[in-house]
Amino acid sequence: TQLLEQSPQFLSIQEGENLTVYCNSSSVFSSLQWYRQEPGEGPVLLVTVVTGGEVKKLKRLTFQFGDARKDSSLHITAAQPGDTGLYLCAGVSAGGTSYGKLTFGQGTILTVHP
Amino acid sequence: NAGVTQTPKFQVLKTGQSMTLQCAQDMNHNSMYWYRQDPGMGLRLIYYSASEGTTDKGEVPNGYNVSRLNKREFSLRLESAAPSQTSVYFCASFLNYGYTFGSGTRLTVV
Repeated sequence: TQLLEQSPQFLSIQEGENLTVYCNSSSVFSSLQWYRQEPGEGPVLLVTVVTGGEVKKLKRLTFQFGDARKDSSLHITAAQPGDTGLYLCAGVSAGGTSYGKLTFGQGTILTVHP
Repeated sequence: NAGVTQTPKFQVLKTGQSMTLQCAQDMNHNSMYWYRQDPGMGLRLIYYSASEGTTDKGEVPNGYNVSRLNKREFSLRLESAAPSQTSVYFCASFLNYGYTFGSGTRLTVV
């Protein structure tokens, strides 16, 4: 069974601060995704990282995929109250009948105070 | 486009009752999935269907059955609901790297 350990589980910060969320596994994934979920809604895909060492930027969000494709991080610069939500990492399995299956981390609940 | 539509949005069942959660997607995706979300545990895969006509067990299939009715629809059935099945259920569809989730069904079993 592939597992993803996400940390921290809770993060409460002031507007303008920076933060990093980590996602670690002992397994290799074909790609890794980050989602943001609002209360009462389903997860919404933010980004997919595919290549080991890949870095993607989405405005103030920076996503990195580890060289060995076992870990990833999400860094938010100058957090805003609108960034508040549940952030989930998910590893994508590759090959055979496992194709496309997602393994989720436990999630990080981020609260940004004005 | 509606994307992935789940019904109902909320449901309360008594222990032992049965029900079917409905899911439909209009994106012509081949693969569809059912996940459950519980506090502190992320989302766990219940069943999935890699293509029309096929279904496979995920991580937590016990107590559930599924039907891939056609390419658009993938339903999840609880034959005899138990309090441990109280959760939020999400349906998702997938094509290449594009996952789309429905807005969820919040199920309470009393």
